[in-house]
Amino acid sequence: QSVLTQPPSASGTPGQRVTISCSGSRTNIGGNYVYWYQQLPGTAPKLLIQRNNQRPSGVPDRFSGSKSGTSASLAISGLRSEDEADYFCAAWDDSLSVSFGGGTKLTVL
Amino acid sequence: EVQLLESGGGLVKPGDSLRLSCAGSGFNFNVYAMSWVRQAPGRGLEWVSAISGSGERTYYGDSVKGRFTIYRDNSKNTLFLQMNSLRVADTALYYCTKDDDGYYSDIWGQGTPVTVSS
Repeated sequence: QSVLTQPPSASGTPGQRVTISCSGSRTNIGGNYVYWYQQLPGTAPKLLIQRNNQRPSGVPDRFSGSKSGTSASLAISGLRSEDEADYFCAAWDDSLSVSFGGGTKLTVL
Repeated sequence: EVQLLESGGGLVKPGDSLRLSCAGSGFNFNVYAMSWVRQAPGRGLEWVSAISGSGERTYYGDSVKGRFTIYRDNSKNTLFLQMNSLRVADTALYYCTKDDDGYYSDIWGQGTPVTVSS
């Protein structure tokens, strides 16, 4: 069971906006950055959002991140078929470890 | 271009040992912390271990503490994970990552598979 809680699945149609939540606690999300990763089928994870809401170079601005208290969210606007992937959140925990969410499988209908 | 190339995975029996390696290139290796993250078949990501740039500080997940050892050779730009007393539950694809902002993974290798089976 993962320390950070994500919904196991999400879906949307092309062009829609979808959000994926990530819930933690005071010791992880509450006091540390949240990172988001995208894992396309059969590939290694790729950094999508760093420091709660910053996009690394090359990540489209359709992807955005936010954090409030002990929860964080990833939003994808203008959904495309190529966004179909697994999405994971992660946060440093004050117990000196990194916690990952269980992952959310996004389906583009 | 930053590249991470893992090696050393394979098929072993429960109780065996294995050492994974990760060769880094395209960045100042000794400046950055590095981590190992694993993914069991069909499952999510599990953080395994991390090490500071100098190698002085190391951290481990509860499931591997006391069995795995992370270390690095900065003269060879290489990260290692020594895995002892392997269990069936350690079966996974092991990713090497370059870290940012402490121990957050920003660049990932392609992974090396480890299968523990009798």
